[in-house]
Amino acid sequence: GENVEQHPSTLSVQEGDSAVIKCTYSDSASNYFPWYKQELGKRPQLIIDIRSNVGEKKDQRIAVTLNKTAKHFSLHITETQPEDSAVYFCAVATGANNLFFGTGTRLTVIP
Amino acid sequence: DAGVTQSPTHLIKTRGQQVTLRCSPISGHKSVSWYQQVLGQGPQFIFQYYEKEERGRGNFPDRFSARQFPNYSSELNVNALLLGDSALYLCASSLAGQMETQYFGPGTRLLVL
Repeated sequence: GENVEQHPSTLSVQEGDSAVIKCTYSDSASNYFPWYKQELGKRPQLIIDIRSNVGEKKDQRIAVTLNKTAKHFSLHITETQPEDSAVYFCAVATGANNLFFGTGTRLTVIP
Repeated sequence: DAGVTQSPTHLIKTRGQQVTLRCSPISGHKSVSWYQQVLGQGPQFIFQYYEKEERGRGNFPDRFSARQFPNYSSELNVNALLLGDSALYLCASSLAGQMETQYFGPGTRLLVL
């Protein structure tokens, strides 16, 4: 199956700074790349996703970039706020939409 | 606008027992996927069903089985429970199943003693 690596595992930033989380994947046929935010004890919530025909997508303070040649994609959060503190997971799907998740990044935004 | 629902929310079982978890997808969604999330890790894919047919199976033993009903709800069954089966079991629904956004339910937290 797909091998997804996610870095860093923990990230602390000052409120207002930017946060960047990176993921790499192994299967060049992968074509769908969502990012989920999971707060403690809650369900994963989709925050942004990108498909393989697009290199970048932005939604307010959140953006995702995709480099299919290098097989990596990144989540960028600008102007971070304390409520952005959570665990973030990248995921990859190939064809049948079976999601393979990264190991997660615990983001802490310090007020 | 109801989201994905799962029942029960919590469950305690002992080793060797069997468990059935239930999921109702978002109205209009025809695909349901099941994931296992062990504490501190990302969700791991178990099964995907679309239009009542199994579309994908992750690397889980045959003790795990699932099915989807005509109303698109789904059940996950786990037989001969092991301590290592303790986890949060998440159900996700999507419209059609290929490159579609998956929306997760709140999960069922299973503890095996």
